[in-house]
Amino acid sequence: ELKVEQNPLFLSMQEGKNYTIYCNYSTTSDRLYWYRQDPGKSLESLFVLLSNGAVKQEGRLMASLDTKARLSTLHITAAVHDLSATYFCAVDMFQVGGGADGLTFGKGTHLIIQP
Amino acid sequence: KAGVTQTPRYLIKTRGQQVTLSCSPISGHRSVSWYQQTPGQGLQFLFEYFSETQRNKGNFPGRFSGRQFSNSRSEMNVSTLELGDSALYLCASSLLRSMNTEAFFGQGTRLTVV
Repeated sequence: ELKVEQNPLFLSMQEGKNYTIYCNYSTTSDRLYWYRQDPGKSLESLFVLLSNGAVKQEGRLMASLDTKARLSTLHITAAVHDLSATYFCAVDMFQVGGGADGLTFGKGTHLIIQP
Repeated sequence: KAGVTQTPRYLIKTRGQQVTLSCSPISGHRSVSWYQQTPGQGLQFLFEYFSETQRNKGNFPGRFSGRQFSNSRSEMNVSTLELGDSALYLCASSLLRSMNTEAFFGQGTRLTVV
């Protein structure tokens, strides 16, 4: 059974600081996604990481994937209040012809950025 | 380009009743997946449909079912509702599951069972 663990689950930080959210998963996969969710809202796709060593950046967020370590990171640079949200990583175990159990999500990191 | 549309947005039902939720995927997308989100269990995969066929099903009881129509629109049904079925139900659409494409989520249907 695939397990996806995020840490920390809760993070309070000040504007201007840097921080990293970690996502570990238990079974080999080269498809990992990061989503953002605002309170009461749906999931917004942030990054799609499809190969070992993949790195993607959008504004103050940067995500990377190390499939050998089964680890993805979401790095926040010079945080601003607007980045306050819950961030989820999700791993896809899809196999062509075999299907898979959809996306397996971590429990989410609730991020609060204080002015 | 319209996004994923879920209806209704909110529902209140009584224990024992049944409910049907609807999801219209992004135009051209043929894969629709359903997820349940609760504070305790987080986001859990319910099932996935592609070309009107259920491809995969998560670990949920048979009270949870779904279907997909020829226009890729999908419905999920929950029968004999229990209090624990109260959750945000999210639908995700993607182009093709066999490709490395991302899933786009709808706004969700918040179901409250009383």
